Amino acid sequence: KNEVEQSPQNLTAQEGEFITINCSYSVGISALHWLQQHPGGGIVSLFMLSSGKKKHGRLIATINIQEKHSSLHITASHPRDSAVYICAVIRGGSRLTFGEGTQLTVNP
Amino acid sequence: NAGVTQTPKFQVLKTGQSMTLQCAQDMNHNSMYWYRQDPGMGLRLIYYSASEGTTDKGEVPNGYNVSRLNKREFSLRLESAAPSQTSVYFCASSEAGINQPQHFGDGTRLSIL
Repeated sequence: KNEVEQSPQNLTAQEGEFITINCSYSVGISALHWLQQHPGGGIVSLFMLSSGKKKHGRLIATINIQEKHSSLHITASHPRDSAVYICAVIRGGSRLTFGEGTQLTVNP
Repeated sequence: NAGVTQTPKFQVLKTGQSMTLQCAQDMNHNSMYWYRQDPGMGLRLIYYSASEGTTDKGEVPNGYNVSRLNKREFSLRLESAAPSQTSVYFCASSEAGINQPQHFGDGTRLSIL
């Protein structure tokens, strides 16, 4: 079993829908990182959080350390949100352990 | 803003050939990383360098070598390429210390025939 599990693996939504991507992990962590990988391949950091909730524009990330679970929400989704969303955990220092990613497609 | 720059972006090699993937960052970061990304798997750490002059193995170091040439540059070398090393390779950098976000390059798509 992977130390970091994401669900769903694939997600298709209609423009405007509210989207949730989940990340569960089985190890102790110091922080969790949400990343976005666009079709061109580049990877961009969205959030790093160790407790509570963070918001940036239409994106919201939450984490529950006791339950070892994090969620990434996208409100009012748009086709330009189509990408792979990757959850990664930090177990010590700054080394990351990655989930397999969630492929999101938002149709107009 | 260049950030993390990787070269080349694409490369095709024959089995047994050698090559070096280059990575440079202009953010004055201490730590640098090399990952590979394969279908159906998350990114996996090959090697990292916590600071200039130091390198350490990650999860999948076999078949690779690295050089931290200076604070800016961290190269990854395949001495004798194998088809199993066909992958997309990403370089990243971060500030030193715990819980520092990593900044990624655009990746190098490497195919070995």
